[in-house]
Amino acid sequence: GAVVSQHPSWVICKSGTSVKIECRSLDFQATTMFWYRQFPKQSLMLMATSNEGSKATYEQGVEKDKFLINHASLTLSTLTVTSAHPEDSSFYICSLFSGAESYEQYFGPGTRLTVT
Amino acid sequence: QKEVEQDPGPLSVPEGAIVSLNCTYSNSAFQYFMWYRQYSRKGPELLMYTYSSGNKEDGRFTAQVDKSSKYISLFIRDSQPSDSATYLCARGGFQKLVFGTGTRLLVSP
Repeated sequence: GAVVSQHPSWVICKSGTSVKIECRSLDFQATTMFWYRQFPKQSLMLMATSNEGSKATYEQGVEKDKFLINHASLTLSTLTVTSAHPEDSSFYICSLFSGAESYEQYFGPGTRLTVT
Repeated sequence: QKEVEQDPGPLSVPEGAIVSLNCTYSNSAFQYFMWYRQYSRKGPELLMYTYSSGNKEDGRFTAQVDKSSKYISLFIRDSQPSDSATYLCARGGFQKLVFGTGTRLLVSP
């Protein structure tokens, strides 16, 4: 399967600041990437679908102006959490879609965001 | 009602036991069902996927889908301490995945 990396793996920021998380595909050119959020002991919830060269598609209830997604190349998608608040503290995971079927998704190792 | 429901556990078993993990789903429109394993503070990794109904076996793992009862199962034979993780079921459709909450499994030596 495809190899996905995320940077940073853990970040702590102060309330009101912005944080950028990178998701890189190391061995596959990904037209489509996904961003998920996972709160402790909860499921992964899809936040948005990121398509290379076009605007991301956000799931219902996700603020597009707060969670900025940029998929500038086939190997890099970024998620910027703007004006972060403590309730944004979560585990953010990206994945890339490598084929035609829904199971052909490969996940990154995740980024733990703590907002103080 | 959540689209995919899963008992969060934890489920504790001794090494060597047969483990049964289960999910129920509500929407019959989707055909693919997946099981992912997630270690603490890591991204999920795909264990198995099944299409429609029936069984699929891979080593110590067997995935089963019963569409009539909307039930998804994962069986782990000869469980090992290294199997200790959270197991997430998911349904797939139109590229998107919908996950259950995950069941935490603890296998003690």
